[in-house]
Amino acid sequence: DTAVSQTPKYLVTQMGNDKSIKCEQNLGHDTMYWYKQDSKKFLKIMFSYNNKELIINETVPNRFSPKSPDKAHLNLHINSLELGDSAVYFCASSQGAQAVQETQYFGPGTRLLVL
Amino acid sequence: AQSVTQLDSHVSVSEGTPVLLRCNYSSSYSPSLFWYVQHPNKGLQLLLKYTSAATLVKGINGFEAEFKKSETSFHLTKPSAHMSDAAEYFCVVSDMHDMRFGAGTRLTVKP
Repeated sequence: DTAVSQTPKYLVTQMGNDKSIKCEQNLGHDTMYWYKQDSKKFLKIMFSYNNKELIINETVPNRFSPKSPDKAHLNLHINSLELGDSAVYFCASSQGAQAVQETQYFGPGTRLLVL
Repeated sequence: AQSVTQLDSHVSVSEGTPVLLRCNYSSSYSPSLFWYVQHPNKGLQLLLKYTSAATLVKGINGFEAEFKKSETSFHLTKPSAHMSDAAEYFCVVSDMHDMRFGAGTRLTVKP
């Protein structure tokens, strides 16, 4: 049983398109995150939600919009995709409200390629 | 503000020899420190974490790390490398307000 799952696993699309990546966790955690990992393996946090409320919003283009319908789901919608958006996007979750000090559980990643 | 520096982008060892992956950090607060491992085409998995308890932390798969406040270091070690240890390793520092990932160290294990 997968703890943190993401769909799709691979996503190839054209510049200018709009796409969504879905994330679900069945751990009963209160906090969920989105990370972007670039081609050099550098991981950067994008967003963090605690009980459906945004608590971390790093400097990312407003083309990226997270949506949390409930605390088990945190989806990432990207408008007007650009070449530089090509990366691996990881979803993660952690137990409590002190999110930045807690162990995070990562999904398998979504590999996005923008052509 | 805080930061984390992984001193080696790539470490290569022979199977059965010790592993040392170096991490230095800076933080204005008492930080929590983590090591995560990422195998090819996989998500990150926690190896171990330090949260102000014992300074020598033991993790999974025989890894351990020692928190040295005077040196602002949290180096990851393993006495004997196994082929399955080949992966990317990330050091992470976090406090009440922020968390930062290091750039990663790629560990190669030669037969």
